[in-house]
Amino acid sequence: DGGITQSPKYLFRKEGQNVTLSCEQNLNHDAMYWYRQDPGQGLRLIYYSQIVNDFQKGDIAEGYSVSREKKESFPLTVTSAQKNPTAFYLCASSERTVNYGYTFGSGTRLTVV
Amino acid sequence: QQPVQSPQAVILREGEDAVINCSSSKALYSVHWYRQKHGEAPVFLMILLKGGEQKGHEKISASFNEKKQQSSLYLTASQLSYSGTYFCGTEQRGSARQLTFGSGTQLTVLP
Repeated sequence: DGGITQSPKYLFRKEGQNVTLSCEQNLNHDAMYWYRQDPGQGLRLIYYSQIVNDFQKGDIAEGYSVSREKKESFPLTVTSAQKNPTAFYLCASSERTVNYGYTFGSGTRLTVV
Repeated sequence: QQPVQSPQAVILREGEDAVINCSSSKALYSVHWYRQKHGEAPVFLMILLKGGEQKGHEKISASFNEKKQQSSLYLTASQLSYSGTYFCGTEQRGSARQLTFGSGTQLTVLP
C-alpha cells in the first residue's frame, strides 16, 4: 500500500544536539512538506519542496534544515539553533495538481531532555 | 496569517448536527478540511476549489464562499467516530499548494 513513513515515532534530543527526522513516501508525489504541531495548536509550515533538489522555507524555518536528493525522501534536521524543538512533527506529500489533498505521515514526537 | 476557525470546541450528542467555520483575511484559491484523532496524523476529508462550491462526504459536507473567503464544514447526524480535531487548510493562488492551517476545532461526540 502506498503511503508516507515517518521515523522514529518518538525521539529524544539532548541540549545542543542535532537530530534528523526521516520521511519517505511511495506515492510518487512531487511535493513534500514538513509541519510542526504544538499542543492545542494548528500546523505550522517549516519547509516544503515541489521537486527534487529544490526546497523553500515556510513560516518557521529558523533552526531547521532539509534536503531533497530523491523524490521519495525529505528528511528534516532539527539543529541546536532551534531553541524550543519539543513538538509533534508531521510530514506530508501531495500531487502538484489541484483536486488532491495532502497525505500525512504518522508523525514524530520530539522531546528535549 | 492563519485562518480563523470557530468554534474552538464543541460537544454533541450522537445524532446531533454541528457546523465549523473557517475564515481568512486573504483571497483564497482552495480550502481543505482534515480530521485528526489524538496522537494520529490528520486525514484528508475534502477540498473545495470554486466559489460557492459544496461537496459531501458521507454525512459530512462543506461549502466555500469565495467572495467572503469563508468555508463551513457541516456534520449531520453525528456519530461517535466523528470525534476529533477538525482543521481547515487554506491555499492562496500562486502559493505552490502550500496550506496554512487554522488552529482547529475540537469535536466531541457523546453517546
